[in-house]
Amino acid sequence: AQSVSQHNHHVILSEAASLELGCNYSYGGTVNLFWYVQYPGQHLQLLLKYFSGDPLVKGIKGFEAEFIKSKFSFNLRKPSVQWSDTAEYFCAVNAKAAGNKLTFGGGTRVLVKP
Amino acid sequence: GAVVSQHPSWVICKSGTSVKIECRSLDFQATTMFWYRQFPKQSLMLMATSNEGSKATYEQGVEKDKFLINHASLTLSTLTVTSAHPEDSSFYICSATQQGHYGYTFGSGTRLTVV
Repeated sequence: AQSVSQHNHHVILSEAASLELGCNYSYGGTVNLFWYVQYPGQHLQLLLKYFSGDPLVKGIKGFEAEFIKSKFSFNLRKPSVQWSDTAEYFCAVNAKAAGNKLTFGGGTRVLVKP
Repeated sequence: GAVVSQHPSWVICKSGTSVKIECRSLDFQATTMFWYRQFPKQSLMLMATSNEGSKATYEQGVEKDKFLINHASLTLSTLTVTSAHPEDSSFYICSATQQGHYGYTFGSGTRLTVV
């Protein structure tokens, strides 16, 4: 079964700091990878996704993620965060052999101090 | 872009009653819909996967007689929480995919409170 791990449960940082959130998955076959953001009181929004091709994926709001197949990782990064990036971030994986089922990591709650 | 409408946004019901939550794909045909449950400060846990016209596939530990899922058309799936109890209080989210397309569109969620 596919599983997704997000190592950091909570991250607190100041504005303009760089952010990196870890995501590892446990499935060895072909995967589709996603990062979602959930702002307080709002529904999930897609930040970026990886299906194939360039392993460095650029998403919305200045976020990017790098797929490293050998490490089963898909870490999310942003060079300089803003207060408005305060939210919860979820990594999600779809293993192709699992059909179209999407499995979420536990989430990382990010607080950006102004 | 693809839009999924989920209704109601929030509902309060008495213990023992049933509650129906609707999930509609507004501008595409949703061949598969997913229902998730999210407890406070926790991640989304997949409850079941439903394909149009067939029975839903439930995840381990999810009671199919308690959480009835119907996906009768390509644009509508419903989740009915039967004989709700306070422990069923949670945030329920639906998601939909379209055959031949990658990606998932999420509804805005339904906050259920059972009193």
